[in-house]
Amino acid sequence: GAVVSQHPSRVICKSGTSVKIECRSLDFQATTMFWYRQFPKQSLMLMATSNEGSKATYEQGVEKDKFLINHASLTLSTLTVTSAHPEDSSFYICSARRPGTFTALHFGNGTRLTVT
Amino acid sequence: GQQLNQSPQSMFIQEGEDVSMNCTSSSIFNTWLWYKQDPGEGPVLLIALYKAGELTSNGRLTAQFGTTRKDSFLNISASIPSDVGIYFCAGRYSGGGADGLTFGKGTHLIIQP
Repeated sequence: GAVVSQHPSRVICKSGTSVKIECRSLDFQATTMFWYRQFPKQSLMLMATSNEGSKATYEQGVEKDKFLINHASLTLSTLTVTSAHPEDSSFYICSARRPGTFTALHFGNGTRLTVT
Repeated sequence: GQQLNQSPQSMFIQEGEDVSMNCTSSSIFNTWLWYKQDPGEGPVLLIALYKAGELTSNGRLTAQFGTTRKDSFLNISASIPSDVGIYFCAGRYSGGGADGLTFGKGTHLIIQP
């Protein structure tokens, strides 16, 4: 079964509003989670690393103030898209790695964001 | 960063046919992963390979870690309609990115009944 849960699966919002996406590890504690963006028929693009108890680290070109990340607990990371615009419409996916494993990432089911 | 070349980009096959796809790189990787992504879903891990030359099966799927550590292939035998989706390879190398992985661009598998 799923080990990483993401919510909501779909969201439609109006331009200028903010949207929060949740990512939960279901049966393990994740000190680190990752957020990706995926455009249609493209591969996953890493946006940022969510670190429990400290600031997120962002990949080059990703706006920190636009994509706010909070890793409030060992099982929950949130991505907030602030002041959303139509160009922020995309598929957002989170992932986490089980403690003690070094490579295989488990992904959430993704969130389809549409900004009108 | 390191580049992974995944091919083919897309495949149109008949149900029941075998499928083969691969990923190559000019750099050495120490782990290879294969994921499948259904439309509107997140990627699901199919097979993980940790040693050069390793051959691993998961049902009708078989994947191998190339002996040069620069490539990997995934085979699907006797394809069925639910095999449709996008298959991604991912590799890990020393000094990799924050998530430790480099992803291929994906192989779109389309099955004609």
